[in-house]
Amino acid sequence: EAGVAQSPRYKIIEKRQSVAFWCNPISGHATLYWYQQILGQGPKLLIQFQNNGVVDDSQLPKDRFSAERLKGVDSTLKIQPAKLEDSAVYLCASSLLVGVVSGANVLTFGAGSRLTVL
Amino acid sequence: AQKITQTQPGMFVQEKEAVTLDCTYDTSDQSYGLFWYKQPSSGEMIFLIYQGSYDEQNATEGRYSLNFQKARKSANLVISASQLGDSAMYFCAMRGPYSSASKIIFGSGTRLSIRP
Repeated sequence: EAGVAQSPRYKIIEKRQSVAFWCNPISGHATLYWYQQILGQGPKLLIQFQNNGVVDDSQLPKDRFSAERLKGVDSTLKIQPAKLEDSAVYLCASSLLVGVVSGANVLTFGAGSRLTVL
Repeated sequence: AQKITQTQPGMFVQEKEAVTLDCTYDTSDQSYGLFWYKQPSSGEMIFLIYQGSYDEQNATEGRYSLNFQKARKSANLVISASQLGDSAMYFCAMRGPYSSASKIIFGSGTRLSIRP
């Protein structure tokens, strides 16, 4: 099966500019996650969707970050305006079932989108 | 609140030796899942192994095993007969119980370097 697709792989912007990242999960996966991974740290959950509804966005800086998952398939994460501290890899992941504690409900990650803010 | 702690920022191990990566967690939930992921320098996150809180046996997947001690809230990853290709960052992660708000949180990671 095809994996989780993300684009672009790399993006360099200046502070105060905007950027958008796209993610297409594995077909049939109900849950989609966006994580932010700053260099040398573990991934931090920004937002979690179940189908096209938001399950958790408690750590999303809503004054500058937004995300949507129209039609419950692919998703877009936007940053506007970007700050220097937003430099990170943005990882998209998907899983088959929401909330089920099971070995079958493993997160599959995309290759990530590396953002550099100058 | 849930929390994952990995206290080893970096480790060096000789090739073919076994290595244990530590992970402790904190949760008040009775039902949860524990995961280990590997992140090579290329950046992709690779799933290694899963342990459910109600699983009585420790999980094993090839050279990987999870030493699950529920009372101590630890879920250490054991890699037997390490190989050069095992050099990577390793993340421990936890998922809460079944609910619409269940999410996966990650530890800060351990960088494992295998010496030839």
